[in-house]
Amino acid sequence: QLQLQESGSGLVKPSQTLSLTCAVSGGSISSGFYSWSWIRQPPGKGLEWIGYIYHSGSTYYNPSLKSRVTISVDTSKNQFSLKLNSVTAADTAVYYCARLEWEYWNYFDYWGQGTLVTVSS
Amino acid sequence: EIVLTQSPGTLSLSPGERATLSCRASQSVNSNYLAWYQQKPGQAPRLLIYGASSRATGIPNRFSGSGSGTDFTLTISRVEPEDFAVYYCQQYDTSRGFTFGPGTKVDIK
Repeated sequence: QLQLQESGSGLVKPSQTLSLTCAVSGGSISSGFYSWSWIRQPPGKGLEWIGYIYHSGSTYYNPSLKSRVTISVDTSKNQFSLKLNSVTAADTAVYYCARLEWEYWNYFDYWGQGTLVTVSS
Repeated sequence: EIVLTQSPGTLSLSPGERATLSCRASQSVNSNYLAWYQQKPGQAPRLLIYGASSRATGIPNRFSGSGSGTDFTLTISRVEPEDFAVYYCQQYDTSRGFTFGPGTKVDIK
């Protein structure tokens, strides 16, 4: 059974960089028909897609966040990572990593449990 | 960007009743790229429906999806106690990526 687990700093100061990692177990991150995504959810609000990465390293970001986001992959460790720079209080959210089926349907079928990141001084 | 609107915002039902949730897009969506998720408090979203009408693995057949173009519907034929949750629709657009609707909360009447 595929599992995803987020880890990283739960508290980030304004203007600094948020860094999270998603460890994938029970399957290979190099699987051809899937890519790997980050999605966030501010407390009490809806879902916002941040971006995704293929195992090859190709990325695609939400245009509204593109200037601040970097997603990378480490296939040797079966994990991928998110960096979001110049954070503000508006970036406070639960951050989820998820697997994306991209070949035919474009849906997110496996999700991590989520990790709360608070932006505060 | 394709904006998704969901209605109603909250749906109050008794167990055994039928739930009809609407997702409307600001422009036409490829039906292959329309999905529905269920989210319970403190949990990650769970995929229910993909391709507008295909149930994901392990999803009970009381959940069904339909629609095309700009209007999509998630139906729960008879709501069970475990179905009280928030439901989100999601679309993919090749030029702008993914967007989610604001959600419909199904709660107990």
